[in-house]
Formats: sequence, structure tokens, C-alpha cells
Amino acid sequence: QVTLKESGPVLVKPTETLTLTCTVSGFSLSNARMGVSWIRQPPGKALEWLAHIFSNDEKSYSTSLKSRLTISKDTSKSQVVLTMTNMDPVDTATYYCARSPETIWSPRYFDYWGQGTLVTVSS
Amino acid sequence: EIVLTQSPGTLSLSPGERATLSCRASQSVSSSYLAWYQQKPGQAPRLLIYGASSRATGIPDRFSGSGSGTDFTLTISRLEPEDFAVYYCQQYGSSLPLTFGGGTKVEIK
Repeated sequence: QVTLKESGPVLVKPTETLTLTCTVSGFSLSNARMGVSWIRQPPGKALEWLAHIFSNDEKSYSTSLKSRLTISKDTSKSQVVLTMTNMDPVDTATYYCARSPETIWSPRYFDYWGQGTLVTVSS
Repeated sequence: EIVLTQSPGTLSLSPGERATLSCRASQSVSSSYLAWYQQKPGQAPRLLIYGASSRATGIPDRFSGSGSGTDFTLTISRLEPEDFAVYYCQQYGSSLPLTFGGGTKVEIK
């Protein structure tokens, strides 16, 4: 069955760089028309899409966070990695990775999600 | 960027009642590319509806979606105890970035 699992630090300091890893199983990251996005949710708030990596290795980013984000994948390890630079307390959130069927230019809906990982930004 | 506005913010209903949740887009969502998710405390969102009206695998038929253009609706025909949760809409058809609505909480009256 399809599973995704996030891993990374639970606490980062302001100005540091966050690196999160999503390890997937039950599908291949080279599957045509199936990609992975990162989505976050501050405590008690709504969901925010961050970035997507396509099956063909193209990337797409949130307009407001684009300068701080990098998404990449290692197909052999079945992992998708997100880095976010210059972390701030407002970036405190649960970070999810999720699988999405995709068109040639956009992810679509998210049919499988990881459990999420809470990242707190504090000195 | 397409802004999705969900209403009401909170819906207080009793088990067995009908729930009607609204999602309004700031511009037309092409091809009815709108999804709905359910989220319970401490859990990841779960896909309910995609393409505005198609139920995801394993979703009971008491959940239905409708709408097009800028106005979409999620209806739960008869609320079961496990349906009390927060519901989010998400658009994916028109342009990036993908966006989510602010959520509607369905609580027990």
C-alpha cells in the first residue's frame, strides 16, 4: 500500500535552514504523472501548499516562499527532500508530504498524506 | 492566486442532520478542479472529493460534492459521529499556486 513518512528536526533556531525528508513506499517517484508535494499547517490554522516535484523532476513552488524553498528527490532511495532557509518563528507548523496525480504543469489533489511532522522554530 | 473562502466558519449540528458547506473562489476554477478534505485532530487531511463531485476511494456515499465556476458545495446527507471534523476545500485547476480554503469546523450541537 501507499505510504509517506516525514522526518526531520523537531526544533530549529531562527535563521537556520530546515531540511525535511519524505520517504515513500508503494509507488515509485519516477511513476508517470505522480508527484509529491509539501504542505504545511501552523497550529490551529489552515493548510498551505509549499512545493511540488513532478515525476519528470520539474519543480514548482509557492509564490510567496519560492526564494526560501528547494525541493529535490532521490528516486533510488524513494525520498523527497525539502529545504527551507532562514527559518522564523512564524514557520512553526506541521509539515506534511503528500502524493498527487499531476498534469504536465500542475499537481492536482492529494490522495495520500504522511502523518506530518511538527517543526518548532525557537531560540 | 485564487483565494478560497469557506463558510460558515463553524457549523453546529446534531448526528443525523444534513450538513452543507460552502467554498467560494475569487475567480473561476477551471474544469471544476476542486477537492475537499476532512481533517480530525492530530491527523493528516483525508481526501473526500476531487473534480468537484467525484468521491475518493472508500468514501461513503453520504458525502457529495457539487458546483462549478466559483461556487462549490460539500454536502453530508446524514451526519455520523465520526464526521465531526474540519473540512477544507482546495483548487488545482486554474493556476499555480495551489490554494486551500480556511476550513469549516463541523461540531456537535
